[in-house]
Amino acid sequence: ETGVTQSPTHLIKTRGQQVTLRCSSQSGHNTVSWYQQALGQGPQFIFQYYREEENGRGNFPPRFSGLQFPNYSSELNVNALELDDSALYLCASSRTSGGITSTDTQYFGPGTRLTVL
Amino acid sequence: AQSVTQLGSHVSVSEGALVLLRCNYSSSVPPYLFWYVQYPNQGLQLLLKYTSAATLVKGINGFEAEFKKSETSFHLTKPSAHMSDAAEYFCAVSDHSSNTGKLIFGQGTTLQVKP
Repeated sequence: ETGVTQSPTHLIKTRGQQVTLRCSSQSGHNTVSWYQQALGQGPQFIFQYYREEENGRGNFPPRFSGLQFPNYSSELNVNALELDDSALYLCASSRTSGGITSTDTQYFGPGTRLTVL
Repeated sequence: AQSVTQLGSHVSVSEGALVLLRCNYSSSVPPYLFWYVQYPNQGLQLLLKYTSAATLVKGINGFEAEFKKSETSFHLTKPSAHMSDAAEYFCAVSDHSSNTGKLIFGQGTTLQVKP
């Protein structure tokens, strides 16, 4: 069973640029959630994708957007990068049948470390 | 709104000693609670979860946690620490108010294990 994978591992961008992060969900999983983890903090929920549509968003501005593809992989796009966007971005996948529940276990990938200069 | 508070940002124990990492939650509905571990430069790994079945939950690597409703706590314990347990530990509650099951994390506790 293949776990959650993310690419790239590390990324350095400058303020104002745009970035795309990628995530492949664990085999058999159909739901993907994205989290931002600032240094020394717990992860914060960005949004979730289910059936290729956004299924809930945390307190993040519209310049954070995403996609989910038919194979359940996902992208996180961030436009107009700001210094505060520097963080570890974590993707988590889960398997949902008949609707998402609070008991669904989310399995995390290793993350992408984004540095904005 | 639901939240978790982890008491103690750093905990240091000797190898072989008891590990106790504290987590208190706030929730107006029965919570679903999780403990995750994060090793340096890695993602989060699920240790265990509570979803309203048995109040004592056993997880991987010898860890367990007990749900105590009267104390609104879900502390993580391990009888004997190993050097490999040194990591960051996060307590999380699943958000009932949305249909996402999103996790709300605490600030984390860094566990140091001394030889």
